[in-house]
Amino acid sequence: GDSVTQMEGPVTLSEEACLTINCTYTATGYPSLFWYVQYPGEGLQLLLKATKADDKGSNKGFEATYRKETTSFHLEKGSVQVSDSAVYFCALSDDGGATNKLIFGTGTLLAVQP
Amino acid sequence: GAGVSQTPSNKVTEKGKYVELRCDPISGHTALYWYRQSLGQGPEFLIYFQGTGAADDSGLPNDRFFAVRPEGSVSTLKIQRTERGDSAVYLCASSLSSDRGREQYFGPGTRLTVT
Repeated sequence: GDSVTQMEGPVTLSEEACLTINCTYTATGYPSLFWYVQYPGEGLQLLLKATKADDKGSNKGFEATYRKETTSFHLEKGSVQVSDSAVYFCALSDDGGATNKLIFGTGTLLAVQP
Repeated sequence: GAGVSQTPSNKVTEKGKYVELRCDPISGHTALYWYRQSLGQGPEFLIYFQGTGAADDSGLPNDRFFAVRPEGSVSTLKIQRTERGDSAVYLCASSLSSDRGREQYFGPGTRLTVT
């Protein structure tokens, strides 16, 4: 079945460092790919998405490119801030179904130190 | 506008008891999803409603779990004969539709603890 694998955390960075959180997926069809973020004490919220190969999603300085050839959707940011500290979830929805239900990775905790 | 709300925020119950968890989706959202998130894991899909009907309940772990959405808005997740393994955060999400790539908006979750 479909699945998402993302790098384990925690990831600890100093402010202004570069961030990459790896995400790879397995899917039978052509899924849509998402990054959701959960800030401390808050609910899950969509950070960015891409719905077809070679699309780049971007938001709040974060970017991720849908790479079909490597089945990857790595999250990147050039300069992290303390306020980026959160848990990041990579997810997919399989377009083969009619539900758009999400399959999540296990999450990666990012801690940014001043 | 108002987001997805869930009540209660926390629920502690004894093993074997029955619980109901409520979700109020964003007004006008026809698609509603329930997920379960165990500690240190990502959310896992339980059930999807389109309107009033459960269009996909393939994620429900067993027949102790049941959900309804009688008027196409509020949904209730019902768990019978609770077990300690049911302890988790139960998340509700809603979406304008189930179209491919459509964003889901999540509620804050209900933390269920079975003692």
